[in-house]
Amino acid sequence: KQEVTQIPAALSVPEGENLVLNCSFTDSAIYNLQWFRQDPGKGLTSLLLIQSSQREQTSGRLNASLDKSSGRSTLYIAASQPGDSATYLCAIKGNDMRFGAGTRLTVKP
Amino acid sequence: DGGITQSPKYLFRKEGQNVTLSCEQNLNHDAMYWYRQDPGQGLRLIYYSQIVNDFQKGDIAEGYSVSREKKESFPLTVTSAQKNPTAFYLCASSIDWGNGYTFGSGTRLTVV
Repeated sequence: KQEVTQIPAALSVPEGENLVLNCSFTDSAIYNLQWFRQDPGKGLTSLLLIQSSQREQTSGRLNASLDKSSGRSTLYIAASQPGDSATYLCAIKGNDMRFGAGTRLTVKP
Repeated sequence: DGGITQSPKYLFRKEGQNVTLSCEQNLNHDAMYWYRQDPGQGLRLIYYSQIVNDFQKGDIAEGYSVSREKKESFPLTVTSAQKNPTAFYLCASSIDWGNGYTFGSGTRLTVV
């Protein structure tokens, strides 16, 4: 059974800092990996989708990487802003979709 | 704009009552999913459907039921057999089984 771990559980940084969120998974037989953002009381917003054959995806200030052999993905956020404050979830699609518990990010002005 | 609509946003259930959560998508996606989210926990899969008129149990299906009579719709019924239904419920869809998910905005269910 796929297990997904996100470290750290919470992170607080000053505005403008570059940061990395980590996601690890136990089974490398995956279709894709997806990073989501969740604001309090809201649904999940898809940020980046990396297919199994890809190594990374970029969207604006966000860059996500995938290393299946080591069972790791990172989400890099450049020049963080207070509006980036949210919980970030990674999800692994294999036989089903497994979610990490998330990293709660706070960006302080 | 294409998307997933969940309704209602807030729902209150009395003890012993069945309630139905609505999920509608206009993305022409084949697969649809229901998740439950509890504070401090990850999302847990309740039911999923890969195609019309077919659905499968997820990890925590007990006390829940679904139907998939139309491609666009995947309603979830929380029955009186679900002993701890207070949670945030999220519906998602994907174009097919192996692709990324699009989520709705969620329904918060509270037992009163």
